[in-house]
Amino acid sequence: AQTVTQSQPEMSVQEAETVTLSCTYDTSESDYYLFWYKQPPSRQMILVIRQEAYKQQNATENRFSVNFQKAAKSFSLKISDSQLGDAAMYFCAYRSAYRGGMRFGAGTRLTVKP
Amino acid sequence: DVKVTQSSRYLVKRTGEKVFLECVQDMDHENMFWYRQDPGLGLRLIYFSYDVKMKEKGDIPEGYSVSREKKERFSLILESASTNQTSMYLCASSLTGERGKSPLHFGNGTRLTVT
Repeated sequence: AQTVTQSQPEMSVQEAETVTLSCTYDTSESDYYLFWYKQPPSRQMILVIRQEAYKQQNATENRFSVNFQKAAKSFSLKISDSQLGDAAMYFCAYRSAYRGGMRFGAGTRLTVKP
Repeated sequence: DVKVTQSSRYLVKRTGEKVFLECVQDMDHENMFWYRQDPGLGLRLIYFSYDVKMKEKGDIPEGYSVSREKKERFSLILESASTNQTSMYLCASSLTGERGKSPLHFGNGTRLTVT
């Protein structure tokens, strides 16, 4: 079974600074997708960014970018120019291209200091 | 926008009660999922369904069952609620196409307390 590990339970960043959240995963499959979700206090899960395993290019969405290292099975999220609204729980997730649901890490709580 | 609606935001039940958590999506998605979220454990997959009347066990199905009689509705059933089932429950849906590429769309969650 696939597992997803987020080793940082909590992180903090100063407003306007850059922060990187770590994620590693374990799988024997070659075709899969990786996601970062954000969960603010409202509890609504919001998709931040998606990476396709067969693409070497790292995904980017505005201030959010990933560093995808397939051989190392690492998928970190970089948030640039952090804003107060970025404060939330962030979950890394894995989804097989073949079958099954999405597997999530334990989450990282990000605090943004003004 | 996809809307996934969970019938209750908060629910309090007694030990031994049969509990139904309802989820409805309005985007004709084939796939639906139930997760529970606990601090330090993230989201764990309970059950999922690829189509009407189809279901598959996730990683922690014990103590739960599901029902999918209509495409838009996916119900999670706690046959006899226990205190260790106190948790946040999240429902999600997604398209089948694109082999795993489709993201999950989530409801707002039901915080269930079993006393």
